[in-house]
Amino acid sequence: DGGITQSPKYLFRKEGQNVTLSCEQNLNHDAMYWYRQDPGQGLRLIYYSQIVNDFQKGDIAEGYSVSREKKESFPLTVTSAQKNPTAFYLCASSRRDRHNEQFFGPGTRLTVL
Amino acid sequence: SQKIEQNSEALNIQEGKTATLTCNYTNYSPAYLQWYRQDPGRGPVFLLLIRENEKEKRKERLKVTFDTTLKQSLFHITASQPADSATYLCALDNYGNNRLAFGKGNQVVVIP
Repeated sequence: DGGITQSPKYLFRKEGQNVTLSCEQNLNHDAMYWYRQDPGQGLRLIYYSQIVNDFQKGDIAEGYSVSREKKESFPLTVTSAQKNPTAFYLCASSRRDRHNEQFFGPGTRLTVL
Repeated sequence: SQKIEQNSEALNIQEGKTATLTCNYTNYSPAYLQWYRQDPGRGPVFLLLIRENEKEKRKERLKVTFDTTLKQSLFHITASQPADSATYLCALDNYGNNRLAFGKGNQVVVIP
């Protein structure tokens, strides 16, 4: 079964703690993305990666960090510098050439207490 | 500034009728536009892609149009069913590298 997985589905953290969200895909896609979704809002791009060992900031990268050491994995760390971390986080992947759809994971809902 | 506008009000529609959603954009020149479906608490699922040189695209009961002069896309669900109830997102190719800009989505509620 090909797909994209995110874990955990729900995550609770205390304010001031860093937390890492997992994203794994077995679709053999080169490109991977992290989005944040707030209630009533569209998806906002945090970071994206077109190839292993390379990634770029999206529109709201401040307070987040990523790594892309393997093609299948693109973990996102929400640091204590992120002022409003409570949100629904979505990971996606796609082929790298243009005009391709993105495949999304089930999402992680992060709540910072 | 750049904007992608979808109706913030939910569209309530009787089963069997055609639902029509609008996506308007400002200060973008997309080479293509995509539509996704999102159910509550889940990730979006791709539905259709339409390129700038295509006027219309169909897939089963779905139809999308793309008017680059009006800077608008219309998304139609014909013979709507309660299972079509969801939020529908439009997304534009923004930087020519598969980086998408998403609208806020438009909720559809199909009433049996």
